[in-house]
Amino acid sequence: DQQVKQNSPSLSVQEGRISILNCDYTNSMFDYFLWYKKYPAEGPTFLISISSIKDKNEDGRFTVFLNKSAKHLSLHIVPSQPGDSAVYFCAASGSSNTGKLIFGQGTTLQVKP
Amino acid sequence: DAGITQSPRHKVTETGTPVTLRCHQTENHRYMYWYRQDPGHGLRLIHYSYGVKDTDKGEVSDGYSVSRSKTEDFLLTLESATSSQTSVYFCAISLAGEDYNEQFFGPGTRLTVL
Repeated sequence: DQQVKQNSPSLSVQEGRISILNCDYTNSMFDYFLWYKKYPAEGPTFLISISSIKDKNEDGRFTVFLNKSAKHLSLHIVPSQPGDSAVYFCAASGSSNTGKLIFGQGTTLQVKP
Repeated sequence: DAGITQSPRHKVTETGTPVTLRCHQTENHRYMYWYRQDPGHGLRLIHYSYGVKDTDKGEVSDGYSVSRSKTEDFLLTLESATSSQTSVYFCAISLAGEDYNEQFFGPGTRLTVL
C-alpha cells in the first residue's frame, strides 16, 4: 500500500516554462513533506520542504504547495532550466521525529533547451 | 556534502553469500539511515539508527541486519543475499538539531546478486 504516490512517471517541459510535479498521500498523520532531486549515479539531494501548518513555501525558483484537505502537494519550478532535468522524489514524515521518511516513486523531469 | 561515504560503490555477488555495506560519516550525526532504491518504488527505508547500538526497523527490513558500534559507521548486512536484494543502496544522515526530517544522502552502492 503506497502511502505517498507520484502518479506521473515522467514530465517534459521547455526551458523557461513552468514545471509542475505532483504528489498525493493517504496518511493524514504526515506533518512534514519534502522534495528531493536525484541525478544519475548520485545520491538524492534535499530541495525544499514544507510543514503541515503551512500551505506554501518558496525558495528561489522552487515553490512547494500543500493542500491538506486534498492530501496533495506540488512542486513548481519557474523558470525551468536544462540543469533541472533529474528525478524528483516527494517524501513525507509523521510526528515521531525519528526522521523516518516515506518516499513516492519519483518523477523524471526533462527540460528541453 | 555532510561527509558521507559508502563502500563499496559497486558489488556483484552470488545468491546465498553474505554481504556487508558500510556507511561512514565524519561529522558525528546521531541519526543514520539505510534505504534501497528500486524502479517503481522510489526509496524505501530498511533500518535506521538513533545512536550507538540503537537501531530500529524500517518498512523493508526482512533479510537485512544493521550494526552501529561507533557513531561514524553504520553497517548494513545481507546475511544470505537473494536476487530480490539487487538494488541501489543509499545511506543517509540527519543533521543535529530540531529538524530530523531533512536528510543528506551518500553516493550509493549498486549491488547485484546473481
